Amino acid sequence: DAKTTQPTSMDCAEGRAANLPCNHSTISGNEYVYWYRQIHSQGPQYIIHGLKNNETNEMASLIITEDRKSSTLILPHATLRDTAVYYCIVIRAAGAQKLVFGQGTRLTINP
Amino acid sequence: NAGVTQTPKFQVLKTGQSMTLQCAQDMNHEYMSWYRQDPGMGLRLIHYSVGAGITDQGEVPNGYNVSRSTTEDFPLRLLSAAPSQTSVYFCASTSPPGLAGTLYEQYFGPGTRLTVT
Repeated sequence: DAKTTQPTSMDCAEGRAANLPCNHSTISGNEYVYWYRQIHSQGPQYIIHGLKNNETNEMASLIITEDRKSSTLILPHATLRDTAVYYCIVIRAAGAQKLVFGQGTRLTINP
Repeated sequence: NAGVTQTPKFQVLKTGQSMTLQCAQDMNHEYMSWYRQDPGMGLRLIHYSVGAGITDQGEVPNGYNVSRSTTEDFPLRLLSAAPSQTSVYFCASTSPPGLAGTLYEQYFGPGTRLTVT
């Protein structure tokens, strides 16, 4: 499975859009980009996933570049409750029950 | 439905003791997994199961056993606890592809915080 690179930490003001980048330059054609987040001490929570098209759900939007080598998770109107560690994971669908978590990005939403 | 439940929430063991961490899900998912998370680190896969009667090892399986006799339950057994097993343990179940475009989303339990002295 492809390795991902994320910034260690980011800050964002409450009410603004939070844009979290992820590099996955070795991604294969059959690998998906998944995003999870972990709010302090809780179990991780699924956010969104995509293959090559941009995706949006009630939590976030996922923008994947045309060459699929990087992606951005967008939280459109960040709230204090969005403070968490965000994990970008690239994996084949068939292996999606065996997630490999890196260090993630610690996102802090400031009032 | 309750999703993924784990018991106990907290546990302290002495070195050499054994115990079982319980995990149950009520979503009828075939796939279940166990992860551990050490302080400041990401989660690491211990064991996983693709259905009742079928289990396999993950990245860090040593010192742990699992079994899957029912779809709902996936207990994790520590055979002889060691201080290196002090960690937070998360159980997860994975949804299959769905009509709404869902694809293998993992649902995590609240975790068991284990300390081995």
